[in-house]
Amino acid sequence: KAGVTQTPRYLIKTRGQQVTLSCSPISGHRSVSWYQQTPGQGLQFLFEYFSETQRNKGNFPGRFSGRQFSNSRSEMNVSTLELGDSALYLCASSTPDRGGTEAFFGQGTRLTVV
Amino acid sequence: GQSLEQPSEVTAVEGAIVQINCTYQTSGFYGLSWYQQHDGGAPTFLSYNALDGLEETGRFSSFLSRSDSYGYLLLQELQMKDSASYFCAFSGAGSYQLTFGKGTKLSVIP
Repeated sequence: KAGVTQTPRYLIKTRGQQVTLSCSPISGHRSVSWYQQTPGQGLQFLFEYFSETQRNKGNFPGRFSGRQFSNSRSEMNVSTLELGDSALYLCASSTPDRGGTEAFFGQGTRLTVV
Repeated sequence: GQSLEQPSEVTAVEGAIVQINCTYQTSGFYGLSWYQQHDGGAPTFLSYNALDGLEETGRFSSFLSRSDSYGYLLLQELQMKDSASYFCAFSGAGSYQLTFGKGTKLSVIP
């Protein structure tokens, strides 16, 4: 079974631009969550989608948005990029079979804003 | 608010045992998880405690005391490859959202 796939692995963007990151969960997993990881703040929850519906959103500005498609693939978008958005963005998928207690993470997208 | 506290760094000798503690504060709690992350890698699931007590998975064990809002991860027979960051995290009701601690960087020395 293939793992969680995130594309692209690396991105360099300029302040003010926007970016879209993609995540393909493990086959059969309907929950996809996104996290931002930085050295100072650690792993912070962005949002979670389940069957195309956003169930929870973390404490991030409206510039951060996401969506989930009918095949469970998810995208997150960051508009008007700021230097502080430089981070590793991780996607994780879960399945109700294990009560969502085990999250499977992708390798992440390393975003650098210059 | 919701928070988890864990030591930032721990150093231990190869072959020894190390315990990484985690205290948490939250109003809704469904269980405590532990994840391992090597530099440049993705976090990987290690264990989960929903009930008080010890869960053992090979060289790794995890403990939870809900009354004390406390848990720990125990790593036995340490190997050099165990050098990594370890995160405790709790999950809440109605979603699979995880709230993570800041992580403990474990260095295993010869």
